[in-house]
Amino acid sequence: GESVGLHLPTLSVQEGDNSIINCAYSNSASDYFIWYKQESGKGPQFIIDIRSNMDKRQGQRVTVLLNKTVKHLSLQIAATQPGDSAVYFCAENNAGNMLTFGGGTRLMVKP
Amino acid sequence: GAVVSQHPSWVICKSGTSVKIECRSLDFQATTMFWYRQFPKQSLMLMATSNEGSKATYEQGVEKDKFLINHASLTLSTLTVTSAHPEDSSFYICSARYSGGDTQYFGPGTRLTVL
Repeated sequence: GESVGLHLPTLSVQEGDNSIINCAYSNSASDYFIWYKQESGKGPQFIIDIRSNMDKRQGQRVTVLLNKTVKHLSLQIAATQPGDSAVYFCAENNAGNMLTFGGGTRLMVKP
Repeated sequence: GAVVSQHPSWVICKSGTSVKIECRSLDFQATTMFWYRQFPKQSLMLMATSNEGSKATYEQGVEKDKFLINHASLTLSTLTVTSAHPEDSSFYICSARYSGGDTQYFGPGTRLTVL
């Protein structure tokens, strides 16, 4: 069936470096994608979203890139901080307006 | 804006009892709320979609008689786990979406432990 998946389960970066978290999706009909951050014991927190008519969107220290040709989504975090340590999920909004979550990537920031 | 709360945040109960979890949208009206379950180190799995004033739509494999959902108002949905068993122990998370919106805003989750 359709799925959203991630390439790397764990990403370890040095504080101050940039982080890139990747996500592959398979439903070419999806038109809306979201990145969520989930800290231990908490619910997912909305970070940034992007629609399929865009290929890049920037927020505060975060950028989402969408490559529809290869069905790839990435989240870039600039100047990664210890507070960025969490599990990051990409989610795909399908035609039924339902979210399908990827498996998650754990980001660990080393001081 | 777009704040969602859940209550309780943590509950321990004996096997066979029922547990009710509340999900509230605090600063917006949510025509649709969603209930997810998350096991340790796993992703979120959608259990059901709750529309205000109508019956919930359950995902395949989720027992509607065991997980009772009520969405009586535009700001409140409840999930009742009936006759809970240890295998129901999990992290239950709700989300809410306002009318015409795409983004789901998540609550902080409820940790259920069934002894």
